[in-house]
Amino acid sequence: DVKVTQSSRYLVKRTGEKVFLECVQDMDHENMFWYRQDPGLGLRLIYFSYDVKMKEKGDIPEGYSVSREKKERFSLILESASTNQTSMYLCASSLVLAGENANTGELFFGEGSRLTVL
Amino acid sequence: GESVGLHLPTLSVQEGDNSIINCAYSNSASDYFIWYKQESGKGPQFIIDIRSNMDKRQGQRVTVLLNKTVKHLSLQIAATQPGDSAVYFCAETDNYGQNFVFGPGTRLSVLP
Repeated sequence: DVKVTQSSRYLVKRTGEKVFLECVQDMDHENMFWYRQDPGLGLRLIYFSYDVKMKEKGDIPEGYSVSREKKERFSLILESASTNQTSMYLCASSLVLAGENANTGELFFGEGSRLTVL
Repeated sequence: GESVGLHLPTLSVQEGDNSIINCAYSNSASDYFIWYKQESGKGPQFIIDIRSNMDKRQGQRVTVLLNKTVKHLSLQIAATQPGDSAVYFCAETDNYGQNFVFGPGTRLSVLP
């Protein structure tokens, strides 16, 4: 069974702390993503990576950084957490679609990490 | 920018009835569309997908319809069950599976 695993389901941190959110996928997917999900705003892309050591900014990268040293692992880092970063963080991965006959481009999600910054 | 949106934020249906959840998209170049189900406190789960070269796809109790002329996507759930209660949202992407755009979601409530 395919799996995207996020290391922490719930975290509580204080303002100014450094926060690491880890994500591992076992599907050998090229693409990995970090989203945050807030009520009324839906899913917003923070960063994505299409290969090891490669990263691209999403819609809301400010205050975040990422690391992808291995294909299966994609980490989200909050260098100095702030209260407005309290949110649900979702990691996802996908294959690169390969033309019209590709079977799927499905985005597989982890269970989410709910971060509260006090 | 391009966006994917839903017509209704909430939908209540009687158990056993059919449900229809709608989605409008604006990027005519999108190649691939997905419906996700998200239960409270959990990550989104894949329900069904459809490529832009199709107009209908059926799964178990679910059907997705794609109308490219009016850029409309719908999810039909047959014989809705209490376990179907969740937030449903659509997503679109290009042919590289990198640029996903999500709708805000519709909350489906199944009434006994």
